[in-house]
Amino acid sequence: EVQLVESGGGLVQPGGSLRLSCAASGSAFSSSAMNWVRQAPGKGLEWVSAISSGSGSKSYADSVKGRFTISRDNSKNTVYLQMNSLRVEDSAVYFCAKGGSSWSHQILDDWGQGTLVTVSS
Amino acid sequence: DIQMTQFPSTLSASVGDRVTITCRASQSISSWLAWYQQKPGKAPNLLIYKASTLESGVPSRFSGSGSGTEFTLTISSLQPGDFATYYCQHYDTYPYTFGQGTKLEIK
Repeated sequence: EVQLVESGGGLVQPGGSLRLSCAASGSAFSSSAMNWVRQAPGKGLEWVSAISSGSGSKSYADSVKGRFTISRDNSKNTVYLQMNSLRVEDSAVYFCAKGGSSWSHQILDDWGQGTLVTVSS
Repeated sequence: DIQMTQFPSTLSASVGDRVTITCRASQSISSWLAWYQQKPGKAPNLLIYKASTLESGVPSRFSGSGSGTEFTLTISSLQPGDFATYYCQHYDTYPYTFGQGTKLEIK
């Protein structure tokens, strides 16, 4: 099992930027795809983005495409989510989740506790 | 994008009841479906993947079935810790999407 700890959340004004980090413990990180999933207050889960183990493949939800960028540093066991041009509707708890070793058909089997992002003026 | 429709949105039941939650995909996803349980203030917890495979450590009262576009999650005999919100999620192609969730409440 991989332990995941998110950080970097906070209050930001509309149009601003924020970078989230997710630090992983355990050797499985570098061989696993990683994902970000968010949950607006009182709402359901929304998959946001994924990155393959070697960073060669990335995917985004339409709602964040062009504004968010996922990246990872396997030497630091960390995955990042750079969020630009933030909107009020991006306010949510952001979870990172470990996927599988394959890019296709990932099962999100380990999750962090989440970090809260609030976009407000 | 594949849309996931989950129902009911709320389900009231008692300890010991058998309950079923349904999830429907807008197109065939074969068996690429997972179910999660989420309790307030916590991260989702994987229960079932590939439509019917129980994640390690998950009690056997949880079961999943279905393929193609129609899937179900069944809890055979509700325990107090099962009252939570349940989500289905497809992982057939990107973007992955979740159902709207089913809140399981104590009657």
